[in-house]
Amino acid sequence: RKEVEQDPGPFNVPEGATVAFNCTYSNSASQSFFWYRQDCRKEPKLLMSVYSSGNEDGRFTAQLNRASQYISLLIRDSKLSDSATYLCVVKEWDTGKLIFGQGTTLQVKP
Amino acid sequence: GAVVSQHPSWVICKSGTSVKIECRSLDFQATTMFWYRQFPKQSLMLMATSNEGSKATYEQGVEKDKFLINHASLTLSTLTVTSAHPEDSSFYICSALKVAQFFGPGTRLTVL
Repeated sequence: RKEVEQDPGPFNVPEGATVAFNCTYSNSASQSFFWYRQDCRKEPKLLMSVYSSGNEDGRFTAQLNRASQYISLLIRDSKLSDSATYLCVVKEWDTGKLIFGQGTTLQVKP
Repeated sequence: GAVVSQHPSWVICKSGTSVKIECRSLDFQATTMFWYRQFPKQSLMLMATSNEGSKATYEQGVEKDKFLINHASLTLSTLTVTSAHPEDSSFYICSALKVAQFFGPGTRLTVL
């Protein structure tokens, strides 16, 4: 079983749509959680951290459920520029290492 | 800021040659840097943790004699792929730790 699992997609949505990505992780001792965005042939860039209380940054909302070991990302009013691969990332508390999911590909179409 | 650079951004080499990739933290000092590898349509896989002034810590399955890491200063870590083969062709990305990990732009290695 992978440590961080994501549906690879692709998710093809029209502009303006709301889309949700899910992620599960296997290590219950994981410390911190993040969503990164990776454009084709580029490095990953931090999109947002994820907290149990939920957090929002503009059109993006992230949620963490520690009991279910489940992380989500909601994108509202999708833009063409949101097209990318979204990586679910978990930081191990004991080693500080980042564990990356496979990524979910989003394609927003006009 | 927290800017990380990598050089070269891409390299093509013949099988059997060695390739050195540099990772620099441009505006901060980083005692810890990380080296990742990403194959097409796969996630980033941590290869090793590079610590300034000490030996790197390699992940299981990564050959330390093939992937030589040197972290000689607080702003520079290098990864040398020795005797590269076509199966080493991949996207190599480094990151530097400053509370969070900040990633370099990556180096695309193609071994013919």
